[in-house]
Parts: sequence; structure tokens; C-alpha cells
Amino acid sequence: DSGVTQTPKHLITATGQRVTLRCSPRSGDLSVYWYQQSLDQGLQFLIQYYNGEERAKGNILERFSAQQFPDLHSELNLSSLELGDSALYFCASSVTGEGNQPQHFGDGTRLSIL
Amino acid sequence: AQSVTQLGSHVSVSEGALVLLRCNYSSSVPPYLFWYVQYPNQGLQLLLKYTTGATLVKGINGFEAEFKKSETSFHLTKPSAHMSDAAEYFCAVTRGGTSYGKLTFGQGTILTVHP
Repeated sequence: DSGVTQTPKHLITATGQRVTLRCSPRSGDLSVYWYQQSLDQGLQFLIQYYNGEERAKGNILERFSAQQFPDLHSELNLSSLELGDSALYFCASSVTGEGNQPQHFGDGTRLSIL
Repeated sequence: AQSVTQLGSHVSVSEGALVLLRCNYSSSVPPYLFWYVQYPNQGLQLLLKYTTGATLVKGINGFEAEFKKSETSFHLTKPSAHMSDAAEYFCAVTRGGTSYGKLTFGQGTILTVHP
């Protein structure tokens, strides 16, 4: 058990819809990351937050947004969903968010777009 | 920008045989390097990391990796494979000397262990 909690584990929805994925980091970790894992793109970094502030951004689509709340949990919002958004979305956390810190991953949310 | 290449999308070994999973990286600055393992329907678990210091790093479950700057490699090895090692393995890199932790992953290597 990594200590990172992601909900829900599975999400099935239709094209055009909007969903919210939730992540609770390990106790004591201030930084949260979001990654997307798909068969064609592999594991891709989306965005990083540290103590409520955005720290780094990857190839995150404009239809996607995220935030980290004062209690340090994070949410990833995906809107106007397309078939290609079907993927496994991982949240990870680390203590300070610097590059030499190991990241601890949750079990992911599997998103299926019908 | 960093990039990671894992040579071999599938590696198959017999139980008790040496495991060697190859990883080469590209980075304009000294990188931080990681190996993660992913079991079916689970998240990624950290096996080991190299940040600074000793270039041979030992991780969990008997795995180790050696950072070779001249070869830009960080290959993962285990002397004797066990059936429980069957999983997908990812090599990853972050940019050294930065305040952010964006991981760039390789495409992954699926390890199969035969009895």
C-alpha cells in the first residue's frame, strides 16, 4: 500500500461528458502529480502541484484541469470527453516535489469512454 | 529535454536465470534515474533510484542498477529470477537540479518468467 488513495477505481461515461478524479496523497507529502497511461502514448506526465500551487505542466489538454486543495488532496477534471481520453489516470505524491524525490503512486482510475 | 529508451518491450527468462532490463537515457544535465514496477491492475511501485553518490544502487526484491554516465545507461539486473518478478518494468528520469519532479518514462518492458 503506497498510501496514495485514488477514487473512483473505475469510471465509465460517454463522449462529451465531464468527470472528476480524486487523489489523496500520502500523509506528509506536499506535492501531487497526475499521469496518464494509455496503450499508444505510454505513461505521460500531465501536471504537478506543490502545496496548492501549480509547479510544472506537461502535455495536458486544455479540456483538462486540476487543482490541489488546502487539505492537499487533488482533483483532475476532464471535460468534453473524447474516445481517446480512455486511459488509466495515476496520481502520485512526494514530500517536497523536487526531482530527486521518489514518487509514490496510487492504483489509478480507469476511465472508459463509450 | 529528457528521454528514456528501454530496449526490448518483452523479455523472457527462466526461473533462476539472470534478469537484465536495459535502459538508456538522454539528458542535457545530470539526471535523476528511477526504476518502477507495475503489477496487473496496480499502480507503480518504486524499485530503486539514483540521485547522487554510489553509481551501483540496490533496491527492493533483490534488484540493482548501475548508473553509467559514459554509456548514458541505467540497466536493471537481478541475479536469479523468481516467478513473482513477472510484471512490467519502467525506467524513468527527472531533470537534475530542478525544483519540479516531472517523470519521463520509457515505454516499459514486460518481464515473463518461465518455470
